[in-house]
Amino acid sequence: AQSVSQHNHHVILSEAASLELGCNYSYGGTVNLFWYVQYPGQHLQLLLKYFSGDPLVKGIKGFEAEFIKSKFSFNLRKPSVQWSDTAEYFCAVNPYGNNRLAFGKGNQVVVIP
Amino acid sequence: EAQVTQNPRYLITVTGKKLTVTCSQNMNHEYMSWYRQDPGLGLRQIYYSMNVEVTDKGDVPEGYKVSRKEKRNFPLILESPSPNQTSLYFCASSFTGGPYEQYFGPGTRLTVT
Repeated sequence: AQSVSQHNHHVILSEAASLELGCNYSYGGTVNLFWYVQYPGQHLQLLLKYFSGDPLVKGIKGFEAEFIKSKFSFNLRKPSVQWSDTAEYFCAVNPYGNNRLAFGKGNQVVVIP
Repeated sequence: EAQVTQNPRYLITVTGKKLTVTCSQNMNHEYMSWYRQDPGLGLRQIYYSMNVEVTDKGDVPEGYKVSRKEKRNFPLILESPSPNQTSLYFCASSFTGGPYEQYFGPGTRLTVT
């Protein structure tokens, strides 16, 4: 079955550490890719997106993600996390020409001051 | 203020008692969607709508109905709720005709006993 995989569901980091969250998908063909973030008690909001072009995309709050087509991956990175980055992060994939959006299971990230 | 609103925010009900969760957006968005979020499973798409009177199934449509009679509203109907529908439900909308850059509502926490 086609799916979106996020590993290391729970991540605990100290402030200033680097963060990398993996996202792999099993859809063939062209895809649109997203990372959403859910801060405690808040709505999900879009962190960044990739449709085409430069495979390294920059989002809000210093986050970036790299699309590697050969690896079917769209990993999220931040060089130096802050306590305010404590949140749940979701990768999502929309196969081109399809109107559905498939989410991964999420990564719960806790940043310790 | 641009937003997606859901009502009610919290609901406890009993098995078999029909209920409706409303969703409304004030951004004139074409695409609207419902998701459920369960621990360890991430978000799963229930139904989506490309525009008025156009709806289609997502990944987990069983036990749910939707309608889109007006562009701004997209209610989720549980005709006969069961305990396995206990979940956190999110409505989302996006401007373009697909699940891109979605704006999410605050969520509705439903408990079916």
